[in-house]
Amino acid sequence: EDKVVQSPLSLVVHEGDTVTLNCSYEVTNFRSLLWYKQEKKAPTFLFMLTSSGIEKKSGRLSSILDKKELFSILNITATQTGDSAVYLCAVEFSSNTGKLIFGQGTTLQVKP
Amino acid sequence: SAVISQKPSRDICQRGTSLTIQCQVDSQVTMMFWYRQQPGQSLTLIATANQGSEATYESGFVIDKFPISRPNLTFSTLTVSNMSPEDSSIYLCSATGGASEETQYFGPGTRLLVL
Repeated sequence: EDKVVQSPLSLVVHEGDTVTLNCSYEVTNFRSLLWYKQEKKAPTFLFMLTSSGIEKKSGRLSSILDKKELFSILNITATQTGDSAVYLCAVEFSSNTGKLIFGQGTTLQVKP
Repeated sequence: SAVISQKPSRDICQRGTSLTIQCQVDSQVTMMFWYRQQPGQSLTLIATANQGSEATYESGFVIDKFPISRPNLTFSTLTVSNMSPEDSSIYLCSATGGASEETQYFGPGTRLLVL
């Protein structure tokens, strides 16, 4: 059965801390792994990863994929209260269908 | 990136009634999808909305309960039929496959409460 597992499920940190969110997957016909940030309703796109070992960065956020070990991490440095959200990991499976399977999400709370 | 809008943004409905949710993309896209996010849960794919043909439903979802239309490359509707309180969820539309885009973008969602 295809599945995506995120850890931890929730995390509380203080401003300035660095956090690492984990995503492991077991899917057939892997195509890509995506990270989203969900604050209220719509998940907003962060990264799409298709190749192992290539880090993607956007400001204080970065992510990398390991296709051999079937996992990805999302790092957030110098966290701010505005980073508080649910971070979702999703994997596109069954190549070229566009279908995504989501993990449970990690709820991050950044305290002042 | 594609900009996706949904209507209505939220609704409160009585059990036994039906609600149609509209999804509009600001550019032509190859694929459109409908997801459900139940309270406290992650997103679950309901179906792929196919342009000009019947939608492709995931296990556990059926056309009679969630009829979907996609008359063109920028618009789709999802109907939640014969609603019960268990249908209370956020329903999200997504799209991918626009001009040089493989990333999947999401609409703002429709928050549905069934009494």
